[in-house]
Amino acid sequence: DAEITQSPRHKITETGRQVTLACHQTWNHNNMFWYRQDLGHGLRLIHYSYGVQDTNKGEVSDGYSVSRSNTEDLPLTLESAASSQTSVYFCASSESRGAKNIQYFGAGTRLSVL
Amino acid sequence: GEDVEQSLFLSVREGDSSVINCTYTDSSSTYLYWYKQEPGAGLQLLTYIFSNMDMKQDQRLTVLLNKKDKHLSLRIADTQTGDSAIYFCAESPATYGGATNKLIFGTGTLLAVQP
Repeated sequence: DAEITQSPRHKITETGRQVTLACHQTWNHNNMFWYRQDLGHGLRLIHYSYGVQDTNKGEVSDGYSVSRSNTEDLPLTLESAASSQTSVYFCASSESRGAKNIQYFGAGTRLSVL
Repeated sequence: GEDVEQSLFLSVREGDSSVINCTYTDSSSTYLYWYKQEPGAGLQLLTYIFSNMDMKQDQRLTVLLNKKDKHLSLRIADTQTGDSAIYFCAESPATYGGATNKLIFGTGTLLAVQP
């Protein structure tokens, strides 16, 4: 069965360190998204990609970067981790199918920045 | 703006009906969605409604859409303890020439079902 997997599931790091969160999907979807989930804010879009070599900033992109070198993977990098980036991170993917936009989510990565 | 609002918490007794409400701001959204998040898991699509529909029923779930007021609701009949989760509504605003493929999520409503 097709799936979307995130790794690691949990990560503890120190402020100032570079951290990369992995996202891998086997749906063969063109679109991939990174969100962060915080209490009282719901899910906020960090970065997204509509295909290989395409990346776009979301509403909370400062301090984060992504790259899309193949269809399956969209790693999220925190260049210099800050305590404000402690959060639960979700990756999602979808196929381009007109106006219907059903996204499939990974199980999430819980990141703590100390 | 692109704000989707939900109440944060709802508590019901097992067997009762639950109604989770959502207001959105972008009338260009062609589809509106409800996602469910169980503890420690990612979001899963529960149901969706096309914007030219007023109502959609799927087993215990009923979605009502009031496009004039930009109000969306999810009714769960005969609520069970397994329905305890966070429920998110989401819209997909269209841009000129087509959909953005992005979803704008609400803050989520925590549904607690008491046995």
